[in-house]
Amino acid sequence: DIQMTQSPSSLSASVGDTVTITCRASQGIGSNLAWFQQKPGRAPKSLIYAASSLQSGVPSKFSGSGSGTDFTLTISSLQPEDFATYYCQQYNGYPLTFGGGTKVEIK
Amino acid sequence: EVQLVESGGGLVQPGGSLRLSCAASGFTFSSHWMSWVRQAPGKGLEWVANINQDGSEKYYVDSVKGRFTISRDNAKNSLYLQMKSLRVEDTAEYYCTIDVSGSYWGQGTPVTVSS
Repeated sequence: DIQMTQSPSSLSASVGDTVTITCRASQGIGSNLAWFQQKPGRAPKSLIYAASSLQSGVPSKFSGSGSGTDFTLTISSLQPEDFATYYCQQYNGYPLTFGGGTKVEIK
Repeated sequence: EVQLVESGGGLVQPGGSLRLSCAASGFTFSSHWMSWVRQAPGKGLEWVANINQDGSEKYYVDSVKGRFTISRDNAKNSLYLQMKSLRVEDTAEYYCTIDVSGSYWGQGTPVTVSS
């Protein structure tokens, strides 16, 4: 199985900050990586697919990069509605696997 | 507007069965892979199973193989997850999603396995 390791597991940031979340795959997955945002009590929402393609309707403040084993999600100009938990997921091989999540909290 | 509406969750005893449904609308259901993903209380996301456009390919996480069956009815724009021999550790919110990359998610249906 492909293990997905996210870091950090949590972070504190202020409104207006730019934050970067990292996701590392245990083996190469090409660009077959997605990022999701989940708010408490809500279903996850797709942000990014194919490592760097923005899902329809997602603001450009979210950006993804990377390929192979190392990926990043960058959120610029954090706003109150961006405080949530973020997950990466690889879909290069079965079983599909998620990272453990990164909780972005208000400082 | 894309909509995925899950139903069929509930409380069941260990060893019991449930059938989850996902009603899809707002997109061409028969053109997309579909998946089930679950989330245990307070935990992260776990992919459970997915199925290709015509139902000829199905994949499962090891922990549910032989107990869960994913299926679809393209005429009814519906996705299903038949769950048997349920275990306490199957307790979770179950989501249906579009595509292997999870482009859209339903609101989820809760499954509680407890005696």
